[in-house]
Amino acid sequence: DAGVIQSPRHEVTEMGQEVTLRCKPISGHDYLFWYRQTMMRGLELLIYFNNNVPIDDSGMPEDRFSAKMPNASFSTLKIQPSEPRDSAVYFCASSLREGQETQYFGPGTRLLVL
Amino acid sequence: DAKTTQPPSMDCAEGRAANLPCNHSTISGNEYVYWYRQIHSQGPQYIIHGLKNNETNEMASLIITEDRKSSTLILPHATLRDTAVYYCIVRVASGGGGADGLTFGKGTHLIIQP
Repeated sequence: DAGVIQSPRHEVTEMGQEVTLRCKPISGHDYLFWYRQTMMRGLELLIYFNNNVPIDDSGMPEDRFSAKMPNASFSTLKIQPSEPRDSAVYFCASSLREGQETQYFGPGTRLLVL
Repeated sequence: DAKTTQPPSMDCAEGRAANLPCNHSTISGNEYVYWYRQIHSQGPQYIIHGLKNNETNEMASLIITEDRKSSTLILPHATLRDTAVYYCIVRVASGGGGADGLTFGKGTHLIIQP
């Protein structure tokens, strides 16, 4: 298996623009997680899905952030409009069957909002 | 999930055993100890986990004290590629009803010296 796949790997955009990050989890994994990493706040959970259904989005910073999982092999994290403080590395992770199982992380998307 | 305390940084000579401590004095009976690491510019990587018995796999050994209030991750023969931030996380066992997302602290930055 190729592991968790994220795209793009790097994104540079201007303030106010829409940004869409993409994730393909490991085949057969039922849980998908989105994390954000910054120097100030470290790694923090934004939202996670179980069988394509959002379970906990309490970590989503504000309404500008939205996430979807239209099918078992694809998820998006959208920021609209983007702001400079959204600059961070965004990681997607997946796990098998239950959330407490080992999580496998993708390589991350480095987002820079100018 | 219980809070953990780790030293911010450690050095270890290449080829020697690296021993990374973690304090989790408020751990509950149904919480496991997990270790992840994050190599620079990569996503976090699972290393090992345990409940109360010592565990060993191809990457590392995990030693948990009898009272379960602390643990030590051991990399038996550290190499330069083991330089990374190591995160100790305690979380509820599978099916225990705890949160599914991982809560990362600041971790220990382990630097392997040549």
